[in-house]
Amino acid sequence: AQSVTQPDIHITVSEGASLELRCNYSYGATPYLFWYVQSPGQGLQLLLKYFSGDTLVQGIKGFEAEFKRSQSSFNLRKPSVHWSDAAEYFCAVGTYRDDKIIFGKGTRLHILP
Amino acid sequence: DAGVIQSPRHEVTEMGQEVTLRCKPISGHDYLFWYRQTMMRGLELLIYFNNNVPIDDSGMPEDRFSAKMPNASFSTLKIQPSEPRDSAVYFCASSPWTFRGETEAFFGQGTRLTVV
Repeated sequence: AQSVTQPDIHITVSEGASLELRCNYSYGATPYLFWYVQSPGQGLQLLLKYFSGDTLVQGIKGFEAEFKRSQSSFNLRKPSVHWSDAAEYFCAVGTYRDDKIIFGKGTRLHILP
Repeated sequence: DAGVIQSPRHEVTEMGQEVTLRCKPISGHDYLFWYRQTMMRGLELLIYFNNNVPIDDSGMPEDRFSAKMPNASFSTLKIQPSEPRDSAVYFCASSPWTFRGETEAFFGQGTRLTVV
């Protein structure tokens, strides 16, 4: 069965600083991968997704993620964070074998002014 | 499209009562997922449907939980009897079928359930 690990429960960065959120997955074949963002009291919004092809994926709000098969990772990055990026971020994995999508436990991002 | 619609947004109930959460998926989507979000366990997949048929309910925690999808535009998640440990935010999500299985889940706003 597939699984997702987000090793950082909380991350704090200063506004304008760069950001990297870590995600590792476990699955025996090529997965498809997602990053979602959840603002307080809201549902989840898709930031970006990877199915195949170019391993560097661009998303909304200036985010990008890189799929590294050798490391089973799909880390999310942003070159310069804004105060509005403060939220919880979820990495998720799905498979071609079935269509369920499994989420990591999330990383809460705090932004310092 | 209005997106995935869940009702109610908030539910407070007493222990032992029956609770029914409702979900209207995006029209044309073939998959419907129910997730539960808690601080301790994060976002857990409870059950998902394909074309109104339950495919995997291995995440349903106990027999007190049941889910139905009587038609393509409506699903319910029922807890009977409810317990305080069921307090959580319950999300419904839907996704379209694609040939290569490249599904993407679209989430509702969630129902915050509090069992006292």
